[in-house]
Amino acid sequence: DVKVTQSSRYLVKRTGEKVFLECVQDMDHENMFWYRQDPGLGLRLIYFSYDVKMKEKGDIPEGYSVSREKKERFSLILESASTNQTSMYLCASSLAGDNSPLHFGNGTRLTVT
Amino acid sequence: RKEVEQDPGPFNVPEGATVAFNCTYSNSASQSFFWYRQDCRKEPKLLMSVYSSGNEDGRFTAQLNRASQYISLLIRDSKLSDSATYLCAVNGGSYQLTFGKGTKLSVIP
Repeated sequence: DVKVTQSSRYLVKRTGEKVFLECVQDMDHENMFWYRQDPGLGLRLIYFSYDVKMKEKGDIPEGYSVSREKKERFSLILESASTNQTSMYLCASSLAGDNSPLHFGNGTRLTVT
Repeated sequence: RKEVEQDPGPFNVPEGATVAFNCTYSNSASQSFFWYRQDCRKEPKLLMSVYSSGNEDGRFTAQLNRASQYISLLIRDSKLSDSATYLCAVNGGSYQLTFGKGTKLSVIP
């Protein structure tokens, strides 16, 4: 079974803090993704990576950056957290190419106060 | 037109009923289609891929209609444990899967 692990299940941060969300997958997947999910808005892609050190902007990259130094790890960084970044953050991975299904981690519920 | 659309529901069905959801997509070049299930406050989990020829997994049947650009999910003999939100996902090219906002299903005793 694919295992995608997110470092924190719940996180509370203050406005202006720098926030790191970590994601690790153990299936040697090439592709990794960060989504956020909000009521009424569904899943929205923030960033994705199809190889180490490669990154591509998704639909809503503003206010976020990512890092992929190792194949198994994909980090999402909120440079200066704001209250509108309060959300459920979901990491996912998939095999190479663009026809493979995504496998999600169990999510990080981030609250910015 | 939105890229991937689903009826949000809720669909409230009695145990044992058959229920079907549709999901329309706008990108005619899409090649990959999936159904996910998401329980409340949990992550989406892959339910099944949708192939051109259609596919079946137990009580679940998925179909693709390229001409009308929609996929469907049929659940037969609904169980209480089927209550969840069902998300469709469509490949939009460039590694990106676009998700619908989901259809909520409640199976009632």
